Amino acid sequence: GEDVEQSLFLSVREGDSSVINCTYTDSSSTYLYWYKQEPGAGLQLLTYIFSNMDMKQDQRLTVLLNKKDKHLSLRIADTQTGDSAIYFCAEIFPGGQNFVFGPGTRLSVLP
Amino acid sequence: SQTIHQWPATLVQPVGSPLSLECTVEGTSNPNLYWYRQAAGRGLQLLFYSVGIGQISSEVPQNLSASRPQDRQFILSSKKLLLSDSGFYLCAWRQGAETQYFGPGTRLLVL
Repeated sequence: GEDVEQSLFLSVREGDSSVINCTYTDSSSTYLYWYKQEPGAGLQLLTYIFSNMDMKQDQRLTVLLNKKDKHLSLRIADTQTGDSAIYFCAEIFPGGQNFVFGPGTRLSVLP
Repeated sequence: SQTIHQWPATLVQPVGSPLSLECTVEGTSNPNLYWYRQAAGRGLQLLFYSVGIGQISSEVPQNLSASRPQDRQFILSSKKLLLSDSGFYLCAWRQGAETQYFGPGTRLLVL
């Protein structure tokens, strides 16, 4: 079955690194995604990784994928107050129409 | 470039009244279109998706219906709203194998 899990809350101090974790159950997923949702807004695509990759870096964002453990993480370097939001992990399967989303991790950045 | 619009942004409706939420996409053709609901503090629940005009797939039994009268228009409706229909409704589009993009959302409060 399809299931994506995330911790619901994370607090970090401004300037520190944040690591948001996600685990999934179906190893056949083709792409894995990170979305950001600011209060009252839609979801903004941050980055995604193809399932045959281990790592992807984009400025302050680093995505790590461990297929053996079915674990995906998003690292935000030098976390800023503007990074406070809910972060959703999602996956899609070969030939699939639907994305499967995790419950979201609420990141709070403390001054 | 592609853009996705939703309206209204906010809606307050009495129980038992009808509902019509609209989503339109610009700058693309024949996209897959999706309606999600996000209850307060919760993750995303896929309600409907459409791969073409007049083609609607329902993911969960519910009080809502969807229609796609034009290629880039997706409508979410109800004949009689329930209290439990309150939430944040997100439309999304996707073309090709990779990413899914979200609209700004409509916040619905049923009283």
